Amino acid sequence: AQTIHQWPVAEIKAVGSPLSLGCTIKGKSSPNLYWYWQATGGTLQQLFYSITVGQVESVVQLNLSASRPKDDQFILSTEKLLLSHSGFYLCAWSLGASAETLYFGSGTRLTVL
Amino acid sequence: QQKVQQSPESLTVSEGAMASLNCTFSDGTSNNFRWYRQHSAKGLEVLVSIFSDGEKEEGRFTAHLNRANLHVSLHIREPQPSDSAVYLCAVRGENSGTYQRFGTGTKLQVVP
Repeated sequence: AQTIHQWPVAEIKAVGSPLSLGCTIKGKSSPNLYWYWQATGGTLQQLFYSITVGQVESVVQLNLSASRPKDDQFILSTEKLLLSHSGFYLCAWSLGASAETLYFGSGTRLTVL
Repeated sequence: QQKVQQSPESLTVSEGAMASLNCTFSDGTSNNFRWYRQHSAKGLEVLVSIFSDGEKEEGRFTAHLNRANLHVSLHIREPQPSDSAVYLCAVRGENSGTYQRFGTGTKLQVVP
């Protein structure tokens, strides 16, 4: 069975500090990987997606970047956090571009002060 | 740009009564629709996917799609308190690649 693990569960960070959020998928080789962001009370927005190792496409940047260093790992990061980065970050995977059911992790709650 | 709106924003139903949620979209070429639910700031779980006009049932969850009316709905039969969550529809346009646009969500509360 496939499992998706996100870390950390929650973060409280200062404006201007760096951030790294991670996501690992086990039990599925070469999945499509996604980062989504949900501002408090807002809609879910796709930020990045990746089809293969080393390749990441940006959908909405928000002064964030993403990387896929391994087949099963997806990282979201920034060197300088903004207040507007607060929200709920979700990692997801799908089988491929033509089968878009998304399977989500349990999310990371980020608070920027 | 695709717009996806859901109604109502919130809905309270009694346990056992039918719950009906609505989703309208703006891109008539959309061909891929899913309903997800999200329990209290957790990850989402997919409930039902539908790709052609008509009805698709998955257990107690039934989706109805009418692309001419730019409308997809979700009906929950015999809802239980554990179904209380935010329900999100996701729509993919024909030329959207991997991109799915999520709706604004309906917060459902099922009371005993």
